[in-house]
Amino acid sequence: NAGVTQTPKFRVLKTGQSMTLLCAQDMNHEYMYWYRQDPGMGLRLIHYSVGEGTTAKGEVPDGYNVSRLKKQNFLLGLESAAPSQTSVYFCASSAGSGGGETQYFGPGTRLLVL
Amino acid sequence: GENVEQHPSTLSVQEGDSAVIKCTYSDSASNYFPWYKQELGKGPQLIIDIRSNVGEKKDQRIAVTLNKTAKHFSLHITETQPEDSAVYFCAASRGGTASKLTFGTGTRLQVTL
Repeated sequence: NAGVTQTPKFRVLKTGQSMTLLCAQDMNHEYMYWYRQDPGMGLRLIHYSVGEGTTAKGEVPDGYNVSRLKKQNFLLGLESAAPSQTSVYFCASSAGSGGGETQYFGPGTRLLVL
Repeated sequence: GENVEQHPSTLSVQEGDSAVIKCTYSDSASNYFPWYKQELGKGPQLIIDIRSNVGEKKDQRIAVTLNKTAKHFSLHITETQPEDSAVYFCAASRGGTASKLTFGTGTRLQVTL
């Protein structure tokens, strides 16, 4: 099992460009999450999904969109990138059903917006 | 919403010594408290967790304690080794429909020889 994988590993964008980050998990998990990690701020939840076809906003959703068309994939989109979106993005998944489920994280995508 | 504070932000200990990282949370309804370890260039990995019906949990050299009344929980690492050097995050969750975690800001632990 590969666990949680993320594509790409690193990307440089110019302000105003768009891109999609792909997260895939092979653990048949119901729940998937997108976080961003900034220095001194820990991990902050952007969006999450409790099942195929569902999405919900997290703590910092502005400027991002997500889709969960297949259970194993969770896509994070930036329609018009801004320098403030320079960050490391982590995807995670969990089996679900309540706050006690372990979240498994991917290796991260480092995004630089110029 | 939940707010989790974590201290210290950096911690340096000698190999073999103990390390303690402390977190406080604000939401009295939180009932799940995991600790994650993040090595350089990698994603966070769960190392231990505790639920609100338990006061302490141990796993070899790692232990976590929870004080629900004071709303704080701590990670204890004994007999530290160089491979314990990493960034550690605490988190808290209320549970419910989705296990949304609120993370602390992290502690960079360095174990020196």
